[in-house]
Amino acid sequence: RKEVEQDPGPFNVPEGATVAFNCTYSNSASQSFFWYRQDCRKEPKLLMSVYSSGNEDGRFTAQLNRASQYISLLIRDSKLSDSATYLCVADRGSNSSASKIIFGSGTRLSIRP
Amino acid sequence: SQTIHQWPATLVQPVGSPLSLECTVEGTSNPNLYWYRQAAGRGLQLLFYSVGIGQISSEVPQNLSASRPQDRQFILSSKKLLLSDSGFYLCACPSGDRGSGENSPLHFGNGTRLTVT
Repeated sequence: RKEVEQDPGPFNVPEGATVAFNCTYSNSASQSFFWYRQDCRKEPKLLMSVYSSGNEDGRFTAQLNRASQYISLLIRDSKLSDSATYLCVADRGSNSSASKIIFGSGTRLSIRP
Repeated sequence: SQTIHQWPATLVQPVGSPLSLECTVEGTSNPNLYWYRQAAGRGLQLLFYSVGIGQISSEVPQNLSASRPQDRQFILSSKKLLLSDSGFYLCACPSGDRGSGENSPLHFGNGTRLTVT
């Protein structure tokens, strides 16, 4: 089983739609969670951290369900510029000073006009 | 905030040739440093991480090695490249921003796209 699993997509939705991605992680000791965005042939860039209480940043909402070990990302009023691959990230929860950060394979999102 | 420099941006190398990719970091001291590889159409695979000079941990057995000769320098090497070494190589370090747990999110360099022919 992969440590971080995502639906690869692609999700193809019209502009203005709401789209949601889920991601599951296997290590119950994981403490830090993030969503990254990666554009074609570019490096991943942090979209937002995911907090236990859930958090929102403009049109983006992230939630964490520790009991079920999944993380979600909701994008409202999607824009053409939201087209990208979205990577789910969790740490391994170790106490070492260099905790390993594990990335999911990404979910491709394509917004059509 | 940190700046991560990676070079070269693209590289085409024949099978069996050596490899050296360099990553340097500015704006921080004694950072944890990471090398990831992303094969075409795939996710990011953690290759190596380092907590300090001369300290390297390998995640997966492979044809590659890493070294950290200076605090803010991280080098990825191979003596003989394989076709399967092709990919997008990314160097990263913690951004220093507060994350959701103990760890801050990673900040990436622009990457090196390696094609082994």
